[in-house]
Amino acid sequence: NAGVMQNPRHLVRRRGQEARLRCSPMKGHSHVYWYRQLPEEGLKFMVYLQKENIIDESGMPKERFSAEFPKEGPSILRIQQVVRGDSAAYFCASSPGGDNEQFFGPGTRLTVL
Amino acid sequence: QQQVKQSPQSLIVQKGGISIINCAYENTAFDYFPWYQQFPGKGPALLIAIRPDVSEKKEGRFTISFNKSAKQFSLHIMDSQPGDSATYFCAASQSSGTYKYIFGTGTRLKVLA
Repeated sequence: NAGVMQNPRHLVRRRGQEARLRCSPMKGHSHVYWYRQLPEEGLKFMVYLQKENIIDESGMPKERFSAEFPKEGPSILRIQQVVRGDSAAYFCASSPGGDNEQFFGPGTRLTVL
Repeated sequence: QQQVKQSPQSLIVQKGGISIINCAYENTAFDYFPWYQQFPGKGPALLIAIRPDVSEKKEGRFTISFNKSAKQFSLHIMDSQPGDSATYFCAASQSSGTYKYIFGTGTRLKVLA
């Protein structure tokens, strides 16, 4: 039973480019959370999605960031026109729903040059 | 009110000693308190979690103590081993909301051989 999968594991982008981060939840899980971890800091909630719905995006920056979780395929976190301050580790977690327990993926480490 | 305060920021313990990490919260609606362990370059892994209806939960060498009136909870690692050297995060969530986690800022534990 594969765990939460994220790809790519490492992503390097130049300022102004777009970054696309993918998350495949655990089998049977239909709830996905995205968190961001800045260097030497804790994880900060960004967005919570169910299939085809954004449930809570209270942690998402107002501009340049978007997320989706389509009916088929992985959840995508998209960052447009990246800036150096976007450099961080982005973690996805999944849950079966109706439960507090979340299972985390290995993360995508984004570096913006 | 959404903050979770974690201390200490770093901790050095001798092999075989007890490691103690503390967290405090303000939001009384929180009802699930997990602890995560994170090794460098990896995603957080659930160690142990507690709900407010119990004051203590033990799993192997790991124990959570929970003080509802003080709004504090702590992680105790008994017989600490060098392999326990990692960063530990406490978190809190509420079942009446979206289950999103509010994380503490992390404690970097080093166990000396």
